[in-house]
Amino acid sequence: QSALTQPPSASGSPGQSVTISCTGTSSDVGGYNYVSWYQQHPGKAPKLMIYEVSKRPSGVPDRFSGSKSGHTASLTVSGLQAEDEADYYCSSYAGSNNPYVFGTGTKVTVL
Amino acid sequence: QVTLRESGPALVKPTQTLTLTCTFSGFSLSTSGMCVSWIRQPPGKALEWLARIDWDDDKYYSTSLKTRLTISKDTSKNQVVLTMTNMDPVDTATYYCARTGTTGKIDYWGQGTLVSVSS
Repeated sequence: QSALTQPPSASGSPGQSVTISCTGTSSDVGGYNYVSWYQQHPGKAPKLMIYEVSKRPSGVPDRFSGSKSGHTASLTVSGLQAEDEADYYCSSYAGSNNPYVFGTGTKVTVL
Repeated sequence: QVTLRESGPALVKPTQTLTLTCTFSGFSLSTSGMCVSWIRQPPGKALEWLARIDWDDDKYYSTSLKTRLTISKDTSKNQVVLTMTNMDPVDTATYYCARTGTTGKIDYWGQGTLVSVSS
């Protein structure tokens, strides 16, 4: 199972929006509405930000939103804040035999 | 409050077997729908899912590592154990345990434990 493809980096100024893509195949992103997004600050464990493509867990700001079209999912961070600077990983369900595949990761920089 | 904590050796030698224990609280692995996974992250690299055990004792393994991995649970102790055989320096990584759902949602993570493989 190959990793999902994400751009290595993305950036924006405070208050702006940034969108990160996550491209897979019909066996993962394209086949299920079970895409999740995780935020990871240096030296910390990942934190769930979006699940089932567009749902936000309790406590996650509504500045974070998710969507999917075909084999590509996207995470948009609106109104960028300094604390949003982190690595972001997507993940998709990929069937019962190999249920999780992660993305390659994107480093978001707040300029 | 859901918490998970990984424990195990910080250093193992090549060819040795790694045994990691995940001790959790705030949920029960005997509850329908509950699962625990192990995920690792080499320094500076991406996350990689390794294995999952479900409330009904179903087990799932990464296709590329399944010959080396064994996952088990002790529901009475709220623990999940992962063993990985034939360790190699490329297995150097932070290993996380996490509460997971059956369709990909990983909602609670442990702090992770760094395992180095070196002679």
